[in-house]
Amino acid sequence: EVQLVESGGGLVQPGRSLKLSCAASGFTFSNYYMAWVRQAPTKGLEWVASITNSGGSTYYRDSVKGRFTISRDNAKSTLYLQMDSLRSEDTATYYCTRGHTYPYWGQGTLVTVSS
Amino acid sequence: DIQMTQSPSSLSASLGDRVTITCRASQDIGNYLSWFQQKPGKSPRLMIYGATNLEDGVPSRFSGSRSGSDYSLTISSLESEDTAIYYCLQYDKYPDTFGAGTKLELK
Repeated sequence: EVQLVESGGGLVQPGRSLKLSCAASGFTFSNYYMAWVRQAPTKGLEWVASITNSGGSTYYRDSVKGRFTISRDNAKSTLYLQMDSLRSEDTATYYCTRGHTYPYWGQGTLVTVSS
Repeated sequence: DIQMTQSPSSLSASLGDRVTITCRASQDIGNYLSWFQQKPGKSPRLMIYGATNLEDGVPSRFSGSRSGSDYSLTISSLESEDTAIYYCLQYDKYPDTFGAGTKLELK
């Protein structure tokens, strides 16, 4: 059974950093692109970043470029999202998901950016 | 960036009704289009991928179609468990972009 389990969310002040993790199981992690998608409270879904299966290429939405870094450790079957210089508009539930069509999602981890 | 214009934003229908939700792509995305269902407090669920392919385990009353740059999700006979918010997603080019969502309720 495919499982994606996010962790690392919480309350953080504007300008500070947070690192999210997503532990994957039930599939060969190194074979798949992975992505982060977020959802602000009561809002729609928003793609954040993707990474190739090897980790050699990464892709970001403009609003997080230069502030967020997606990475992966294939030996640990874990996806990461390092979030720096956080802003109030980054407040959202962050989901990790697999591949291009996103057939599997984690339960999400809530990030609240507030002073 | 590719814009996905989803309509309607909300929809009220009766049990057994045929329901259609549409997304229009601002440029060619081929068939790189998925549909998701999201219920309150839950993670999104993939329903359709590749514009017309039913994800495993999804009831056959759901279907996807394409006409030019318009992509549609159809529920052939609405059931109570289908009340949710539905989103389209284009994954042809980064940034991947979602539609704004359609809230489907029972009349």
